[in-house]
Amino acid sequence: ELKVEQNPLFLSMQEGKNYTIYCNYSTTSDRLYWYRQDPGKSLESLFVLLSNGAVKQEGRLMASLDTKARLSTLHITAAVHDLSATYFCAAVLNAGGTSYGKLTFGQGTILTVHP
Amino acid sequence: SQTIHQWPATLVQPVGSPLSLECTVEGTSNPNLYWYRQAAGRGLQLLFYSVGIGQISSEVPQNLSASRPQDRQFILSSKKLLLSDSGFYLCAWNRALRDRVYEQFFGPGTRLTVL
Repeated sequence: ELKVEQNPLFLSMQEGKNYTIYCNYSTTSDRLYWYRQDPGKSLESLFVLLSNGAVKQEGRLMASLDTKARLSTLHITAAVHDLSATYFCAAVLNAGGTSYGKLTFGQGTILTVHP
Repeated sequence: SQTIHQWPATLVQPVGSPLSLECTVEGTSNPNLYWYRQAAGRGLQLLFYSVGIGQISSEVPQNLSASRPQDRQFILSSKKLLLSDSGFYLCAWNRALRDRVYEQFFGPGTRLTVL
């Protein structure tokens, strides 16, 4: 069974600071996804990481994947208030093509950026 | 471009009443479709997935059922709602990035309150 754990679950940041959200998963997965959710809204796809060492950046967010450590990180650079949201990581069980794309989600990290 | 619709957007139902939530996808054919539930604004739980018309797989035993009567239509149902069925229901579909690798996109969701 694939388990995905995020930490921290709550993150309060000051504008302009840097921080990292960690996502650990329990069994082999060669795909890692990051999503953003605003209050009362659906999930928005941020990054898809498909291989060991993959790094993707969009604005102040950068995501990376280390499949050997079973770890993905989401790094926030110089946080701004607009980044306040809940961030989820999700992994797909590496089941030789029979996983049918089913995602297992972490608990989510609630990020609040203060002025 | 592809679009995913869900309705209704919000629903308040009494305990013991039936339920029907609908999801449709536009701009793609034969997508994998998924129903997730999010309780209390936190983690997402996969309820059902479908790889084709009439093909439904259930991930957790529960009071709900799903059907896929058409290629791009996915329906979530219940004969008698329980209080524990309250939550935010999200439909999702997979867009292929390459062979057996997908990016998953979510619909706007239905917020269900059972009283």
